[in-house]
Amino acid sequence: DSGVTQTPKHLITATGQRVTLRCSPRSGDLSVYWYQQSLDQGLQFLIQYYNGEERAKGNILERFSAQQFPDLHSELNLSSLELGDSALYFCASSVGDRPEAFFGQGTRLTVV
Amino acid sequence: TQLLEQSPQFLSIQEGENLTVYCNSSSVFSSLQWYRQEPGEGPVLLVTVVTGGEVKKLKRLTFQFGDARKDSSLHITAAQPGDTGLYLCAGAGRDDKIIFGKGTRLHILP
Repeated sequence: DSGVTQTPKHLITATGQRVTLRCSPRSGDLSVYWYQQSLDQGLQFLIQYYNGEERAKGNILERFSAQQFPDLHSELNLSSLELGDSALYFCASSVGDRPEAFFGQGTRLTVV
Repeated sequence: TQLLEQSPQFLSIQEGENLTVYCNSSSVFSSLQWYRQEPGEGPVLLVTVVTGGEVKKLKRLTFQFGDARKDSSLHITAAQPGDTGLYLCAGAGRDDKIIFGKGTRLHILP
């Protein structure tokens, strides 16, 4: 158990819909990262938050947004969903701004 | 664009054999991380290498960071079926974006 909690574990939704993925980081970790993993693209960095502020941005689509709340939990919002958004979405957290991260078990999103 | 290229993509060997997998880039990284991921699970951090030429051992796993900090290798001695998994290398690139290689999928045959 990494100490990072993601909900829900599985999500099935229709094209055009909007979903919210949630992440609780390890106790004491200030950084939260979001990743998308698909078979053909591997693990793609989406965005990092550090203590409530956006720290780094990766290949995140404009239809996606994230935030980190004062209690340090984070949400990833995916809207106008397309079939190609089907993937595993991982949240990870780390102490301070260090790159070594602890991953949650992921949310498997299926868009039908 | 900074990339981490991992090779081989797939490796299937017999229990007890030794193997080495590679993580290469044309860019310098301040540190590289190695993770192992099993199906349906998140990646698990194995090690971080920071100093050029650094060697770290984790039981039968030996990690090395290249002198120029552009590449890294993972050597497994006497592979066990429990070593089966996807091995990923990662580093913080320019603008602090985390970059992952596509991984080496390792299968150890009993």
